[in-house]
Amino acid sequence: AQTVTQSQPEMSVQEAETVTLSCTYDTSESNYYLFWYKQPPSRQMILVIRQEAYKQQNATENRFSVNFQKAAKSFSLKISDSQLGDTAMYFCALSLPNAGANSKLTFGKGITLSVRP
Amino acid sequence: EPEVTQTPSHQVTQMGQEVILRCVPISNHLYFYWYRQILGQKVEFLVSFYNNEISEKSEIFDDQFSVERPDGSNFTLKIRSTKLEDSAMYFCASSTAGTGNQPQHFGDGTRLSIL
Repeated sequence: AQTVTQSQPEMSVQEAETVTLSCTYDTSESNYYLFWYKQPPSRQMILVIRQEAYKQQNATENRFSVNFQKAAKSFSLKISDSQLGDTAMYFCALSLPNAGANSKLTFGKGITLSVRP
Repeated sequence: EPEVTQTPSHQVTQMGQEVILRCVPISNHLYFYWYRQILGQKVEFLVSFYNNEISEKSEIFDDQFSVERPDGSNFTLKIRSTKLEDSAMYFCASSTAGTGNQPQHFGDGTRLSIL
C-alpha cells in the first residue's frame, strides 16, 4: 500500500518570498507518479505540478518547482515569488501507473498555505 | 476550460436516509472517481469507474455505497442508508486515461452533512 505524509499542517509566507512545502511518501513500487494539487477557498482542486518517478529531472511549472529525492522518498514543492492567489490548501498525492484499469490517487493530509500581503 | 461539475454543493440529510450525489465529468473523459474528505482528515479514495463498471473500490466503499452512470453524462454516488460518519466532503474526478500520467480533474465537491 502507498502512504503520503505531509507533516506541516500550515505555513505562512510573505508575498514575493519563496516557500517550500514538504511531502514524504512510501511505496514499494519503482515507478509511480507524484502530484501537487492546490485547493483554493473556492474548493476545486487544481493540479499544480506532476513528477514521474523514473525522471531524474525535477519538474517545474513557472513559479512552481519540485525537489524530488527518490532515495529519500521526498517530494517537496517550492513556490517562488509567492502571490496572494497562492493562498490555498496544498495536497501531495501519489499514483501508480496501470493499477488495473484506473490509478487512484493516494493523498497526504494537506497543508494550508497563507500568503501575507 | 471544461470542468467537472458537482451538485448539490451542500446536502443535509437525516441519518438513515438515502442520498445521491451527482457529478458531470468532462465530456471526453472515460475514467471516473469518487473521493471523500472527512473534516480535518486526508482525502480518501472511494471508487473508480470505467466502461460502466467499478474498476477498484476501497474498504470504505461497502454495500451502502453504489455508483452509476445512468445517461452517459452524469456519474452518481448513492449512499443507501446514511450514517453520521458519512458526513464529509465528497469529490468527483475524471481523467482521459486510467494511467497516472494523465491527471485527474476534480469538481468543487459536495459537502454532505448527516444529522
